[in-house]
Amino acid sequence: DQQVKQNSPSLSVQEGRISILNCDYTNSMFDYFLWYKKYPAEGPTFLISISSIKDKNEDGRFTVFLNKSAKHLSLHIVPSQPGDSAVYFCAASESNTGKLIFGQGTTLQVKP
Amino acid sequence: DTAVSQTPKYLVTQMGNDKSIKCEQNLGHDTMYWYKQDSKKFLKIMFSYNNKELIINETVPNRFSPKSPDKAHLNLHINSLELGDSAVYFCASSQGRHTGELFFGEGSRLTVL
Repeated sequence: DQQVKQNSPSLSVQEGRISILNCDYTNSMFDYFLWYKKYPAEGPTFLISISSIKDKNEDGRFTVFLNKSAKHLSLHIVPSQPGDSAVYFCAASESNTGKLIFGQGTTLQVKP
Repeated sequence: DTAVSQTPKYLVTQMGNDKSIKCEQNLGHDTMYWYKQDSKKFLKIMFSYNNKELIINETVPNRFSPKSPDKAHLNLHINSLELGDSAVYFCASSQGRHTGELFFGEGSRLTVL
């Protein structure tokens, strides 16, 4: 029973356009959400996070949106660059458990 | 200077063998983790140690035994390897036991034949 789901296995966008990666979760006790980026043969690296008390967090070209009522978050990348091509993992945690639950990832390809 | 390093990166072995994967972090973190990425690409937590104390032990077969000799090291020993153990195993560390940003190693790809 997967508590964090990324239903799009892949996404292809043109350089300079917006990339929108989506993530859904089922556990209403999750209170912290993160996005990780992973290149081939490397471990995931932290990208951006958001607490459940917020609905938006921005860091440069990356913005994460949280819709608690819909149990949905999304990552926006504007403008997309070829170097953004990677697998993006959504993750969620319930802070008192110490566990980070990951989705299965979305492969983003940004075409020049 | 690698922050979280795992060895070996690749491991090919026969069913029934015993193998270990080592992990070391030089970030001064007090919490370390083992995650497994299976064929469906999900990253699933297996174990977590905080200052050498086991704090998370997910539903993992007893054949998997973590060991933390000090807070900078977390090793994973697997007995009687099975085909289904084939996966990429990631070590990670964080400051504090309540998950925030995790720092991952490059992963160790285990193939059981």
